[in-house]
Amino acid sequence: EAGVTQSPTHLIKTRGQQVTLRCSPISGHTSVYWYQQALGLGLQFLLWYDEGEERNRGNFPPRFSGRQFPNYSSELNVNALELEDSALYLCASSSVDREGYGYTFGSGTRLTVV
Amino acid sequence: KNQVEQSPQSLIILEGKNCTLQCNYTVSPFSNLRWYKQDTGRGPVSLTIMTFSENTKSNGRYTATLDADTKQSSLHITASQLSDSASYICVVSGGGKDKLVFGAGTILRVKS
Repeated sequence: EAGVTQSPTHLIKTRGQQVTLRCSPISGHTSVYWYQQALGLGLQFLLWYDEGEERNRGNFPPRFSGRQFPNYSSELNVNALELEDSALYLCASSSVDREGYGYTFGSGTRLTVV
Repeated sequence: KNQVEQSPQSLIILEGKNCTLQCNYTVSPFSNLRWYKQDTGRGPVSLTIMTFSENTKSNGRYTATLDADTKQSSLHITASQLSDSASYICVVSGGGKDKLVFGAGTILRVKS
């Protein structure tokens, strides 16, 4: 079974530019979550998509947005990039097993804003 | 407020030694608790999953414990290896897709 895949793995952008990150969940998973992890810090919740709808968003400005497609893959868009947007962006899809809900993470996209 | 607190924030140990990481939570209701290992620059990978009825669970050199009464969990690493150097994240589920609460993680460094 393929895991959660993210692309690209690394990205360098200039301040003010726009970026799109992509995520494909595990087959059969309908929920996709996006997290930002700045260097040396914990995971900060960005967005949650389920069944094509945005269900929740974290405390981030509107220039962070995204969408989920009918095949449940997702995009995260960041407009007007700022230096502090440099971080590892992680995507996860949720699974429910006999122990309950949990996440399976992708390997992340490392974004550097210069 | 649902919170997960981990300690210590960071830890340095010598290769071959044991260590224990702590996780205290106030998440309610409680469904399960998971420990993830995150290598630098990579996505977290699940190590163990604990439900309400489980007190201890092992995965190789990793042993997780759970005390649902005191709302505490620990992750014990035995005979540490250099490859154990990573961030260890405790995640508590309140029972729904949007009810996952993350700890800030413990950064472990194993030196030779």
